Amino acid sequence: QVHLVQSGAEVKKPGASVKVSCKASGYTFNTYGITWVRQAPGHGLEWMGWISPYNANTNYAQKLQGRVTITTDTSTSTAYMELRSLRSDDTAVYYCARGAKWFAPWGQGTLVTVSS
Amino acid sequence: DIVMTQSPDSLAVSLGERATINCKSSQSVLYNSNNENYLAWYQQKGRQPPKLLIYWASTRESGVPDRFTGSGSGTDFSLTISSLQAEDVAVYYCQQYYTTPHTFGQGTKLEIK
Repeated sequence: QVHLVQSGAEVKKPGASVKVSCKASGYTFNTYGITWVRQAPGHGLEWMGWISPYNANTNYAQKLQGRVTITTDTSTSTAYMELRSLRSDDTAVYYCARGAKWFAPWGQGTLVTVSS
Repeated sequence: DIVMTQSPDSLAVSLGERATINCKSSQSVLYNSNNENYLAWYQQKGRQPPKLLIYWASTRESGVPDRFTGSGSGTDFSLTISSLQAEDVAVYYCQQYYTTPHTFGQGTKLEIK
């Protein structure tokens, strides 16, 4: 069975960075992209970017360009999303999901709270 | 960016009745070379992560009950639940994957009347 398990909740100060992990199991990691989506409290879903574990190609949302980096470690079937220069409006649940077009399954989510 | 607009924002339907959620894209998501609509639907219950229901606008994901049906083409799409069950209470999102950023609709909250 395919599972994506994410790292735990984080509390960060404005200006700091956060790195969230997403460990995949139950399938061949290189054969599917990994996408990151975030959801601010009480809000909808925002696509952040995508990576191909096969060749490390990435594609990021324009509004996050320069602040976000998505990487993978194929030896451990783990994807990472790093977001820098955090602001209060980056407070959200961050999800990883398998796929580059549609997304299934999703990780359980990681709450990142940005507060001074 | 392609803007996805869902209607209504919320919907209350009686158990056993039909529920229909609409999704409109600001430009066509029909890819002419393969005649596929690059649109998916998700269900999100409470604090759970979203769950994929439909892709290619009308292809049901494995394990999704057949009371869920996706339809439409070009810019106008619908998700229909033929006979509402209590476990279908959730927020539903459409998403286009025609071009990046892969944008989502704002969500439609479905409740029991």
